[in-house]
Amino acid sequence: NAGVTQTPKFQVLKTGQSMTLQCAQDMNHEYMSWYRQDPGMGLRLIHYSVGAGITDQGEVPNGYNVSRSTTEDFPLRLLSAAPSQTSVYFCASSVAGLTGETQYFGPGTRLLVL
Amino acid sequence: GENVEQHPSTLSVQEGDSAVIKCTYSDSASNYFPWYKQELGKRPQLIIDIRSNVGEKKDQRIAVTLNKTAKHFSLHITETQPEDSAVYFCAASIWTASKLTFGTGTRLQVTL
Repeated sequence: NAGVTQTPKFQVLKTGQSMTLQCAQDMNHEYMSWYRQDPGMGLRLIHYSVGAGITDQGEVPNGYNVSRSTTEDFPLRLLSAAPSQTSVYFCASSVAGLTGETQYFGPGTRLLVL
Repeated sequence: GENVEQHPSTLSVQEGDSAVIKCTYSDSASNYFPWYKQELGKRPQLIIDIRSNVGEKKDQRIAVTLNKTAKHFSLHITETQPEDSAVYFCAASIWTASKLTFGTGTRLQVTL
């Protein structure tokens, strides 16, 4: 199993550009989430999904869109990038509920918005 | 929503000493409390977690305690080693390993 994969690893954008951060998992996990990590702020939840076709907002959803057309994929879209979105983005997945398994994080995408 | 506070923000200990990191949470409905370790440039990795139906859990040199009444939980690392140096995050959630609210992290440095 590859676990949780993310692409790209690094990205530089100009203000106003759009892009999609890709996330995929091959563990058949129902739940998937996107977090951003900023220095001194810990990880903050952007959006999450409890299954294909179902998404909801987290703590910091503004400026980001998500969709979940399949169990495996959960892309994060930046519609018009802003310097405040410079961050490291982590995708994560887990099974539903608390069945003993944990949340697995992807390797992260480092985004710089100029 | 849930708010998780974590202290201290930095912690320096000598090799072999113990380290304690403390977190408090605001939502009394929270019942899942994981701890993650993150090395520089790497993804967070779960090191231990606890659910609200137990007060303490131990895994070798690492232990976590939970006080539901006071709404705080702590990470204890004994016999620290240089490879324990990393940033540690606590988190809380309700009935899921996803949708976590994280603390702001503690940078632990273990010196020789």
